[in-house]
Amino acid sequence: GQNIDQPTEMTATEGAIVQINCTYQTSGFNGLFWYQQHAGEAPTFLSYNVLDGLEEKGRFSSFLSRSKGYSYLLLKELQMKDSASYLCAVRDSNYQLIWGAGTKLIIKP
Amino acid sequence: ETGVTQTPRHLVMGMTNKKSLKCEQHLGHNAMYWYKQSAKKPLELMFVYSLEERVENNSVPSRFSPECPNSSHLFLHLHTLQPEDSALYLCASSQAYGTGGYEQYFGPGTRLTVT
Repeated sequence: GQNIDQPTEMTATEGAIVQINCTYQTSGFNGLFWYQQHAGEAPTFLSYNVLDGLEEKGRFSSFLSRSKGYSYLLLKELQMKDSASYLCAVRDSNYQLIWGAGTKLIIKP
Repeated sequence: ETGVTQTPRHLVMGMTNKKSLKCEQHLGHNAMYWYKQSAKKPLELMFVYSLEERVENNSVPSRFSPECPNSSHLFLHLHTLQPEDSALYLCASSQAYGTGGYEQYFGPGTRLTVT
C-alpha cells in the first residue's frame, strides 16, 4: 500500500527553527508537495520538490531525498502565525496525490 | 471574487435530505477536485475533473454525486448520507491534471454535519 508518515504534533518556540519530517512509500514518484493549513482554513501551497536537494523560499525550506523516500520542511525564525498544520503529499506514478495526515505545529512565546 | 470559493460554508442535514455543495474557481484552471477531510486523517480524494471530464472516482459511495457543468464550476450532490459522512469537504483546482508540478488551490471548505 501507499503511505505517508509525518509526526502528529510538534511544539517549538517563537524565533527558533523547526524541522518537520515526512517519509513516504508510494508506487512511483512524481514530486512532493508541502501545504500549510491554519485551523478552519483551506490548505495553501508552500513548496514543491521533484529533484533531490534543498529548495529555499524565505523563512521556509524543503528538502528531498528520493533514494531515502524522505523530505523535510524547515521553518526558521518562527512566528506565532506559523502555528498551523503542515501537510506532506506525494504524487505517485499515476500522478495521483497521496496525502499525509499532517503535522500540527504549536508555537509558544 | 478571487481564488476558489465554496458555498455553503456550513451545512447541517438529516440522513434523508438532499443537498448540494457548490465550488467555483476564478483562476482559469482546467482541473477541479473534491476532497473529504476528517479529523486527524489524510485528505481523501473523492473526484477529479479535467477539462470537464471525470478522470478519477476513488470508490466513493453513490450517495455522493459530482457534477461539472463547465471548467469553472463543480458541484457535489448529497443524498441519504450517513453520520460518518460528517467532515470538511474541500474543493480545489489546478492549472492542469497529471504531469507537472501544478499545485492545487483550495477553497475554504464546507463543514458538513449529518444528523
